[in-house]
Amino acid sequence: QQPVQSPQAVILREGEDAVINCSSSKALYSVHWYRQKHGEAPVFLMILLKGGEQKGHEKISASFNEKKQQSSLYLTASQLSYSGTYFCGTEMGDSNYQLIWGAGTKLIIKP
Amino acid sequence: EPEVTQTPSHQVTQMGQEVILRCVPISNHLYFYWYRQILGQKVEFLVSFYNNEISEKSEIFDDQFSVERPDGSNFTLKIRSTKLEDSAMYFCASRDPDRTAYEQYFGPGTRLTVT
Repeated sequence: QQPVQSPQAVILREGEDAVINCSSSKALYSVHWYRQKHGEAPVFLMILLKGGEQKGHEKISASFNEKKQQSSLYLTASQLSYSGTYFCGTEMGDSNYQLIWGAGTKLIIKP
Repeated sequence: EPEVTQTPSHQVTQMGQEVILRCVPISNHLYFYWYRQILGQKVEFLVSFYNNEISEKSEIFDDQFSVERPDGSNFTLKIRSTKLEDSAMYFCASRDPDRTAYEQYFGPGTRLTVT
């Protein structure tokens, strides 16, 4: 039931792009993306709801393909501040909005 | 901007002792959650709480764990007899009841160290 994130880790140079994927074997109601820096709480990035929408937040955007039960997070022209671990959290829609979290993708941005 | 707060920030306890972790959710939120994160691992759902009762809990949330909302503002997680493997960061989160606003707001976490 846990969503599968890929890749496990990415190392980029500042200015490069990255894509992080989140896949589920179950039908999804929504996908949440969070970024967590070492020793800190997860910080909300965006939610994508069933309906296949795409959202953007500065140079970070995401898509949700409900047929494939997959979401992708796109980071363009990465900045040093983007470093951290990215988690996707999935909701099945049959619960009180509990999130089932993926294992995370560690993103390292080098100058 | 309103935020979720948690106390203490770090708690050290001996194995077998009881601990209570405290959270103050955002005031108009009605859904509350506890998550834990073992160092270097993913965030794991423990329990969700709505309308003064547990709405869902994971396999991790066994009889050693309990939650309470004792006074309408605090939301507590109690671990009755701590084990070494309970050492982790514990995050509280809350959510607005408005169905169009699904974001869960996380507190800064309590680091629990069981020795």
